[in-house]
Amino acid sequence: GNSVTQMEGPVTLSEEAFLTINCTYTATGYPSLFWYVQYPGEGLQLLLKATKADDKGSNKGFEATYRKETTSFHLEKGSVQVSDSAVYFCALSDYSGNQFYFGTGTSLTVIP
Amino acid sequence: DAGVTQSPTHLIKTRGQQVTLRCSPKSGHDTVSWYQQALGQGPQFIFQYYEEEERQRGNFPDRFSGHQFPNYSSELNVNALLLGDSALYLCASSPFGTEEGTDTQYFGPGTRLTVL
Repeated sequence: GNSVTQMEGPVTLSEEAFLTINCTYTATGYPSLFWYVQYPGEGLQLLLKATKADDKGSNKGFEATYRKETTSFHLEKGSVQVSDSAVYFCALSDYSGNQFYFGTGTSLTVIP
Repeated sequence: DAGVTQSPTHLIKTRGQQVTLRCSPKSGHDTVSWYQQALGQGPQFIFQYYEEEERQRGNFPDRFSGHQFPNYSSELNVNALLLGDSALYLCASSPFGTEEGTDTQYFGPGTRLTVL
């Protein structure tokens, strides 16, 4: 079946620190992979996506590379800001693109 | 351009009651998906509607049902509420058959349902 496992939190970093949030997946076929972000009191927002192996998604300084050989899609940012404090969800869509599977989320707090 | 909207924002019900949640998709989107997000968990897929029909369904009992209207808005109905149905219910819309792709989903802010 399809599933997503992501690094447990919470994660606390100082401003300008390097961020990595690990995500691995299990899927049949060729899923698309996503990172969503949920800011306090708001709905989920698409952060970035990658639709095939070796694709790199990027947005707002965040990056993630679709690694088929390691079934991973780790989220990275070189220098986090206080405004990046949020919950980050890794997700995949199945071969049909109709059904999404989310990880449990990783809470990030960035302190000045 | 309005994004995905959901109503109501919060709802309190008692066990055994029925509830209806509503969603209006982003302009230009014709596909609506519903998710249940329990506290501290990731969203769980309930079902997806396209062209007024349920296109795909996750692992949820028949107590959960839905509807999509000709204007693409959607309702989620839950019958015989259980305490475990307390969660944030999220609606997401996507454009079918466009370059952006059905798998690019835009989420609403959710409806917080509390079952007492």
